[in-house]
Amino acid sequence: GENVEQHPSTLSVQEGDSAVIKCTYSDSASNYFPWYKQELGKRPQLIIDIRSNVGEKKDQRIAVTLNKTAKHFSLHITETQPEDSAVYFCAASDAGGTSYGKLTFGQGTILTVHP
Amino acid sequence: DGGITQSPKYLFRKEGQNVTLSCEQNLNHDAMYWYRQDPGQGLRLIYYSQIVNDFQKGDIAEGYSVSREKKESFPLTVTSAQKNPTAFYLCASSMLAGEVEQFFGPGTRLTVL
Repeated sequence: GENVEQHPSTLSVQEGDSAVIKCTYSDSASNYFPWYKQELGKRPQLIIDIRSNVGEKKDQRIAVTLNKTAKHFSLHITETQPEDSAVYFCAASDAGGTSYGKLTFGQGTILTVHP
Repeated sequence: DGGITQSPKYLFRKEGQNVTLSCEQNLNHDAMYWYRQDPGQGLRLIYYSQIVNDFQKGDIAEGYSVSREKKESFPLTVTSAQKNPTAFYLCASSMLAGEVEQFFGPGTRLTVL
């Protein structure tokens, strides 16, 4: 089955700096890669996703890049703000494939943005 | 945040008891999922269902059971066979399995006394 590794497990930055979180996956059939943000005590919420037919996607201060050959994808947050502090999860899925689109999650990254 | 609800928010269980966690959605989603969240381990899939009256085991199904009698509902039973059930349980739903965003419920925190 799919295995997703996420690094780092914790990340501390100053407000205004950039933050990068990296994930690797094992199943070459995976073609859908969402990122979720989970604030303390809250439910995970999708912040951005990318499919395997594109290499990069941006949404304001957030971007995701995908390298299918190396089987890794990364989340980039620019101009970080204290409200970006949360746990971030990457995930992988072979949408429409034999695993019926199950999401396999990484272990999570605790991002802390200091004012 | 609306559309998918879980109850109760907190649940306490004595050892040897079965408990059932509720998950309801009014988003007309076909697929529903149950995840378990433990510190430092991300979200692990327990069971999922693509259509009514059908469900599949996830990665950690042992000690759990589910039913999908209605499209809107996907209850999870934590049985006494689950040796370490204390965790945060999240239910999710999506329009089609894997093709689109999964929406999560607010979660149920289960504690074994």
